[in-house]
Amino acid sequence: GDSVTQMEGPVTLSEEAFLTINCTYTATGYPSLFWYVQYPGEGLQLLLKATKADDKGSNKGFEATYRKETTSFHLEKGSVQVSDSAVYFCALGLYTGNQFYFGTGTSLTVIP
Amino acid sequence: GAVVSQHPSRVICKSGTSVKIECRSLDFQATTMFWYRQFPKQSLMLMATSNEGSKATYEQGVEKDKFLINHASLTLSTLTVTSAHPEDSSFYICSAQFTGGGSPLHFGNGTRLTVT
Repeated sequence: GDSVTQMEGPVTLSEEAFLTINCTYTATGYPSLFWYVQYPGEGLQLLLKATKADDKGSNKGFEATYRKETTSFHLEKGSVQVSDSAVYFCALGLYTGNQFYFGTGTSLTVIP
Repeated sequence: GAVVSQHPSRVICKSGTSVKIECRSLDFQATTMFWYRQFPKQSLMLMATSNEGSKATYEQGVEKDKFLINHASLTLSTLTVTSAHPEDSSFYICSAQFTGGGSPLHFGNGTRLTVT
């Protein structure tokens, strides 16, 4: 079935370190892929998206490339800041129907 | 664009009472809205899919008589937790899609429900 597998956390990094959060997916069709961010006590905010293979989503210094050959959508940022501390969710949305699948979330803490 | 407003952000109620949570799409029409529940340090659990003008579709294990969902208009869905108990205390989040399948979900800011 359709699913998303996300890197387990928590992840703790020093400020300005490089971030990678791995995400792989299984889908019967050709899904759209998303990264969401959740700050403490808040809902989820769309961070970036990619709708087809080889698309690169980017926002606020974060990037993720839709890799069909490896069924992956890894989130990267070259230099994290304390304000990036949050929980990050990888997600998959199918074109048929309104089905959406979330990974388990990865908690990121950036220390000064 | 694609703003979803959820209200209230925080509510405390006594055991046995009912609580209504509203979810509004402010600048778009949403034929489908989704209700999630999130436990501390865990991922989102889909509770139900709310379709405008029809009955909601509940996920397995979710009591439809306890979690009443109404989607009376294209911009408003409500979740009512009936006869709340302390174990219903949780973070409830709604979301809506701007367009059809494959488009991103837009989320409300969530409601922290505490049942005493």
